[in-house]
Amino acid sequence: AQTVTQSQPEMSVQEAETVTLSCTYDTSESDYYLFWYKQPPSRQMILVIRQEAYKQQNATENRFSVNFQKAAKSFSLKISDSQLGDAAMYFCAYRSDRQTSGSRLTFGEGTQLTVNP
Amino acid sequence: DAGVIQSPRHEVTEMGQEVTLRCKPISGHNSLFWYRQTMMRGLELLIYFNNNVPIDDSGMPEDRFSAKMPNASFSTLKIQPSEPRDSAVYFCASSLITGGDDIQYFGAGTRLSVL
Repeated sequence: AQTVTQSQPEMSVQEAETVTLSCTYDTSESDYYLFWYKQPPSRQMILVIRQEAYKQQNATENRFSVNFQKAAKSFSLKISDSQLGDAAMYFCAYRSDRQTSGSRLTFGEGTQLTVNP
Repeated sequence: DAGVIQSPRHEVTEMGQEVTLRCKPISGHNSLFWYRQTMMRGLELLIYFNNNVPIDDSGMPEDRFSAKMPNASFSTLKIQPSEPRDSAVYFCASSLITGGDDIQYFGAGTRLSVL
């Protein structure tokens, strides 16, 4: 079974600075997808960014980018020019591309990000 | 689009009572997921449907939990009888499986408290 690990329960960053959240995963599969979701105090789970494992190029979405290291099974999220609205719990998630495994998301434990003004 | 709609937003009930959580997926989506979030276990999949058919219910804790999807626009998760350990936030998510990537869009969740 796949597992996802986020080793940083809490992180903090100054407004306008850059922060990196770590995520590692364990799988024997070669094709899969990785995601970062954001959960603000409103509780809503919001997709931040996704990465296809077969793509070598790291995904970017505006101020959010990932560092995907397939061999190391690492998938970190970098937030540039941090804003107060970025404060939230961030979850790393894995989804298999295999039909038999279905479309379930396996989540990490989460990292609580605080943005200081 | 209004997104995934869950009701109620909050539910407080007493042990032994029946609880029904409701979900309306995004129109056009063909897959629906129920997740549970607790401090102890984090976010875990309970069950998911594809084209209204349950595909994987291995995450359903026990017989007290049941889920239905009578049509493409509605699903329920029922707990009967409820117990204090069922207290959690329950999320519904939907996606459109197109043979490749299928992003799951989440509802706002239902916070369940069983006293």
